[in-house]
Amino acid sequence: GESVGLHLPTLSVQEGDNSIINCAYSNSASDYFIWYKQESGKGPQFIIDIRSNMDKRQGQRVTVLLNKTVKHLSLQIAATQPGDSAVYFCAENSRSNDYKLSFGAGTTVTVRA
Amino acid sequence: NAGVTQTPKFQVLKTGQSMTLQCAQDMNHEYMSWYRQDPGMGLRLIHYSVGAGITDQGEVPNGYNVSRSTTEDFPLRLLSAAPSQTSVYFCASSYSGGGETQYFGPGTRLLVL
Repeated sequence: GESVGLHLPTLSVQEGDNSIINCAYSNSASDYFIWYKQESGKGPQFIIDIRSNMDKRQGQRVTVLLNKTVKHLSLQIAATQPGDSAVYFCAENSRSNDYKLSFGAGTTVTVRA
Repeated sequence: NAGVTQTPKFQVLKTGQSMTLQCAQDMNHEYMSWYRQDPGMGLRLIHYSVGAGITDQGEVPNGYNVSRSTTEDFPLRLLSAAPSQTSVYFCASSYSGGGETQYFGPGTRLLVL
């Protein structure tokens, strides 16, 4: 079946360094991708999204890259801060799946001071 | 705007008891959905609604009922709680289901003994 998955369950980053979180998806018909951040005890919070007709999108300190050839999505966080410590989820949906969101299992990012 | 609100924040049930998890949004969003989050499994879609009077099943619908009588409210009912339903439940909404960002509530933590 279709699935969305992250490459690594945990990532430890030195404060000030850049973080890269990776995600692989299997549905070639996916046309919308989202990155969410979830802090402990809270609901997922939207970070950035990208549609399948784009390969890069930038936000404030975050960049999402989409490689449709290998079905790979990444989230780059510049100058990682302690407040970036959280679980990060990638999610995708597609018209072929009635636009239901499918989530990966998440990557826990820990920022070292 | 309050965004997406959920009540209660925490609930303990005995096996066989019933309860309703409440979800409301004040953003005039047509699309609403319920997810459950279990450790290491990301978020899984239980039920969703594309508008008032319309509901459909997600990935894990068994043991849960929903209804959508108004645009604002989307309650989730557990008719006979089971320990396997111990989880954190999130409600989300978006303007429409198709390729739109979903905004999440703070969650309800449910423990079934």
